[in-house]
Amino acid sequence: SAVISQKPSRDICQRGTSLTIQCQVDSQVTMMFWYRQQPGQSLTLIATANQGSEATYESGFVIDKFPISRPNLTFSTLTVSNMSPEDSSIYLCSVGTSGSQPGELFFGEGSRLTVL
Amino acid sequence: AQRVTQPEKLLSVFKGAPVELKCNYSYSGSPELFWYVQYSRQRLQLLLRHISRESIKGFTADLNKGETSFHLKKPFAQEEDSAMYYCALSGYSSASKIIFGSGTRLSIRP
Repeated sequence: SAVISQKPSRDICQRGTSLTIQCQVDSQVTMMFWYRQQPGQSLTLIATANQGSEATYESGFVIDKFPISRPNLTFSTLTVSNMSPEDSSIYLCSVGTSGSQPGELFFGEGSRLTVL
Repeated sequence: AQRVTQPEKLLSVFKGAPVELKCNYSYSGSPELFWYVQYSRQRLQLLLRHISRESIKGFTADLNKGETSFHLKKPFAQEEDSAMYYCALSGYSSASKIIFGSGTRLSIRP
């Protein structure tokens, strides 16, 4: 298993600003993912954070809007840039460990962003 | 296209009654199917995987490839089963991304 810490747990932001969410894992992990959960909706994968290379973004998500860093195997950041009210969501960091089976993800508590 | 459909946003049943949370999927290939659960004020966590063929907390789920379904069942609901349940799928590769359904909130009435 893996213990994941996300910061901030929640924030209220002004339109047009940017916010960086941090994800810290208590062990080295191979796969790290960022999901978004908009109010009343399911989890949508934003991107896979790759250590040492650019993140792999899903359709509908771009690097300029959601830049991601992954400097090592235990840490990643997601930035939500130039925020608008439509970006109000819960952002979740999740990881798959080398000992876990395909599909077994561990999740952080999430970062709840409200954009005014 | 890869998709997971959970037709029910909310399911409310009485304690002791049977529960079935529906999940249908579309996937070009042989997917792995999962159920994740999120209890109140807790993190999302894996409940069970189809490949394990096991019962977790009394829940079972059978993969029906003909109907492309993976419904979650429990014969006798308990109050502590109240939670948000998400059906999810991925490919067999360990690098496959996971796609989630929209979730069903299960409420068990005393």
